[in-house]
Amino acid sequence: GENVEQHPSTLSVQEGDSAVIKCTYSDSASNYFPWYKQELGKRPQLIIDIRSNVGEKKDQRIAVTLNKTAKHFSLHITETQPEDSAVYFCAAKDTNAGNMLTFGGGTRLMVKP
Amino acid sequence: GAVVSQHPSWVICKSGTSVKIECRSLDFQATTMFWYRQFPKQSLMLMATSNEGSKATYEQGVEKDKFLINHASLTLSTLTVTSAHPEDSSFYICSARRDATSYEQYFGPGTRLTVT
Repeated sequence: GENVEQHPSTLSVQEGDSAVIKCTYSDSASNYFPWYKQELGKRPQLIIDIRSNVGEKKDQRIAVTLNKTAKHFSLHITETQPEDSAVYFCAAKDTNAGNMLTFGGGTRLMVKP
Repeated sequence: GAVVSQHPSWVICKSGTSVKIECRSLDFQATTMFWYRQFPKQSLMLMATSNEGSKATYEQGVEKDKFLINHASLTLSTLTVTSAHPEDSSFYICSARRDATSYEQYFGPGTRLTVT
């Protein structure tokens, strides 16, 4: 089955700086890569996603890049704000196992004002 | 659109009792619902996948007789934790997908279960 590795596990940045979170996946058949933001005790919320036919996608301060050959994808947050502080999860869709999502281990992002 | 609710949001039960958690898709029909368990400071671990009208598919290591899943309609799936023990205390989150061709999953708000 699919295996998703996420780094770093914690990330502390100064307000206004950029943050980058990286994920690798194992199943070359995966074709959908969403990123979720989860605040303490709340549901994961989709913030951006990318499909395998696209190399990069941007939505305001958030961007995701995908390298299919290397099987890794990254989340980029620019001009970070304190409200960006949360746990971020990457995921990959395993098309060989009922189209379910496999999640990375999560990154705790702390943006210091 | 695409709102998923869970009930209850939190529950405390005594060891040995059973607890039922409901997951509802409020404004769409979900052919597939997923149940996850999340321990503190950890990732979401898929427990099982349920398709409407059929038996759930459980992930390796998840006891199907302990975690009973029913997906009787296109808008409701239930997870029953039977004979709960303190180690079952966790955050249980469901998600729903419209159909097999849909990419996106919509998450419920989660249920925090504490077993004393």
